[in-house]
Amino acid sequence: QKEVEQNSGPLSVPEGAIASLNCTYSDRGSQSFFWYRQYSGKSPELIMFIYSNGDKEDGRFTAQLNKASQYVSLLIRDSQPSDSATYLCAGVRNDKIIFGKGTRLHILP
Amino acid sequence: EPEVTQTPSHQVTQMGQEVILRCVPISNHLYFYWYRQILGQKVEFLVSFYNNEISEKSEIFDDQFSVERPDGSNFTLKIRSTKLEDSAMYFCASSGPRQGNQPQHFGDGTRLSIL
Repeated sequence: QKEVEQNSGPLSVPEGAIASLNCTYSDRGSQSFFWYRQYSGKSPELIMFIYSNGDKEDGRFTAQLNKASQYVSLLIRDSQPSDSATYLCAGVRNDKIIFGKGTRLHILP
Repeated sequence: EPEVTQTPSHQVTQMGQEVILRCVPISNHLYFYWYRQILGQKVEFLVSFYNNEISEKSEIFDDQFSVERPDGSNFTLKIRSTKLEDSAMYFCASSGPRQGNQPQHFGDGTRLSIL
């Protein structure tokens, strides 16, 4: 059974600090990875996607991928209260997408 | 910005009845997906669809489920003989137009309640 694992949290981070979210995956055939943000009762909203080893930066967000360690992370710099949400990690192989259960992030004002 | 639209936003159905959930993907996208999320649980992949056929499906997507692209814009999920455990949010997503592992954009979902 292919799995994507995330710590469910909640992860509490002071406003303005860096939030670090982590994800591990079991399917070595996974080709790319997505980070989605989901507010309660809402649909997932794409934050970042990454398919190459290393870092990818977009504004306050940095995604990191290490295929050897089967590890994906998301860093959020200068955390804002509006970043409080559940963050979903997803791995893709061909057209099949496996989501983790998500990490609840709480930014403390 | 283009959006994936889903209708209805909420569907209430008696157990045993058939439901059809509708989606209009982003117009130049070629890959279409259905997911479900039972309350408090993770998002679960159901099926992916490309070039008028299913490209991948999960163990959840059994004979009770079917998908169709009846015209150039709509993408539907049909659930036959609904059961109480089919109650969930159902999300449609699309990606493309290039092939392979493109980020998926989600609709707002249809909340399905089976009574």
